[in-house]
Amino acid sequence: QQQVKQSPQSLIVQKGGISIINCAYENTAFDYFPWYQQFPGKGPALLIAIRPDVSEKKEGRFTISFNKSAKQFSLHIMDSQPGDSATYFCAASYWVTGNQFYFGTGTSLTVIP
Amino acid sequence: KAGVTQTPRYLIKTRGQQVTLSCSPISGHRSVSWYQQTPGQGLQFLFEYFSETQRNKGNFPGRFSGRQFSNSRSEMNVSTLELGDSALYLCASSLDTGRGNYNEQFFGPGTRLTVL
Repeated sequence: QQQVKQSPQSLIVQKGGISIINCAYENTAFDYFPWYQQFPGKGPALLIAIRPDVSEKKEGRFTISFNKSAKQFSLHIMDSQPGDSATYFCAASYWVTGNQFYFGTGTSLTVIP
Repeated sequence: KAGVTQTPRYLIKTRGQQVTLSCSPISGHRSVSWYQQTPGQGLQFLFEYFSETQRNKGNFPGRFSGRQFSNSRSEMNVSTLELGDSALYLCASSLDTGRGNYNEQFFGPGTRLTVL
């Protein structure tokens, strides 16, 4: 059973456009929501993370929007660049399980020059 | 500072065999987690070790096992390999300053296991 559902599976965006990836979860005990970026041949790397006590977090061109009541969170990539082409994973965890993370199935992003 | 290293990077085995994968965490990191990555399934948590003890375990059969050594290096073992075990196995290490504190997990490049 997938505890974190991610969409879309793939995304193609023009350079300079906005990329939006969505995730939904069921377990209301989750209290930490990171996003990871993975390039081919590499392991995932932490991009940005949010706690449910805030509705938005921005780091450079990357923004997480969090909707606690809807149990959804999303990643927005502003001014998307070809170098952003990668697979993105959302994840969730809660303090009881410590470093056990539940991952979405991933979104393959392609930014066309 | 060296990153997380995993060996070997690629492995080909046949059904029924067993395999051992190795992970060396970042120096000073005591938590090591293992994930299985397959297309369409994303990353599935296998287990986490902290100070040589298994702290968390995912929903995988007993054929999957692991251990951690006193220097925090970790190994995972898969016995009686099945075709469905073909996947990228990722190791992640974390500084871990205690439960409730989310320290960044650093992933290694993974070991690509192919079962024929």
